[in-house]
Amino acid sequence: GQNIDQPTEMTATEGAIVQINCTYQTSGFNGLFWYQQHAGEAPTFLSYNVLDGLEEKGRFSSFLSRSKGYSYLLLKELQMKDSASYLCAVVDSNYQLIWGAGTKLIIKP
Amino acid sequence: DAMVIQNPRYQVTQFGKPVTLSCSQTLNHNVMYWYQQKSSQAPKLLFHYYDKDFNNEADTPDNFQSRRPNTSFCFLDIRSPGLGDAAMYLCATSRDKEVQPQHFGDGTRLSIL
Repeated sequence: GQNIDQPTEMTATEGAIVQINCTYQTSGFNGLFWYQQHAGEAPTFLSYNVLDGLEEKGRFSSFLSRSKGYSYLLLKELQMKDSASYLCAVVDSNYQLIWGAGTKLIIKP
Repeated sequence: DAMVIQNPRYQVTQFGKPVTLSCSQTLNHNVMYWYQQKSSQAPKLLFHYYDKDFNNEADTPDNFQSRRPNTSFCFLDIRSPGLGDAAMYLCATSRDKEVQPQHFGDGTRLSIL
């Protein structure tokens, strides 16, 4: 079967750095997306990785290791507005998007 | 601004009473998706259209149907809603079938009385 694993919930402090991990086992791999979803709202696109390495975009960075079936999303200089769920989603060999259940990130002052 | 619009944001219906959710897009994207998302769960793909080519996920209940009369509009019909169908319904688009980010509407939260 196809599986995406993320921690259910994480807590961090405003101004700090947090790393949200995602491991996957899918039939083939054509890239990995990270989405942000605030409570009661739709997901919004954050990043896409298809090659190994780190992609940096402002305060957010995303890393991929295809050999390990592993990605992480790194959030720096945390702000209260970063409190949200972060969903990892993998594109499999059939170009289907396989979604993780998301990691709820709680930011404390 | 180009966008994906879902109406209504909140929908209440009675057990067994048909309901239709709508989605429109101004992005001129070829692919449109309908997802069901329950609290703290991953979005679950129900259907997708590549242009007019309809794709039904194997585990989508027969109770759910969809229509795409033109490029801009897509509808989700729930023929006889049950209590288990209460969820957020998300419409998304992507430019084509190759790997592209999906752009989501704000969703319709469906409640069943």
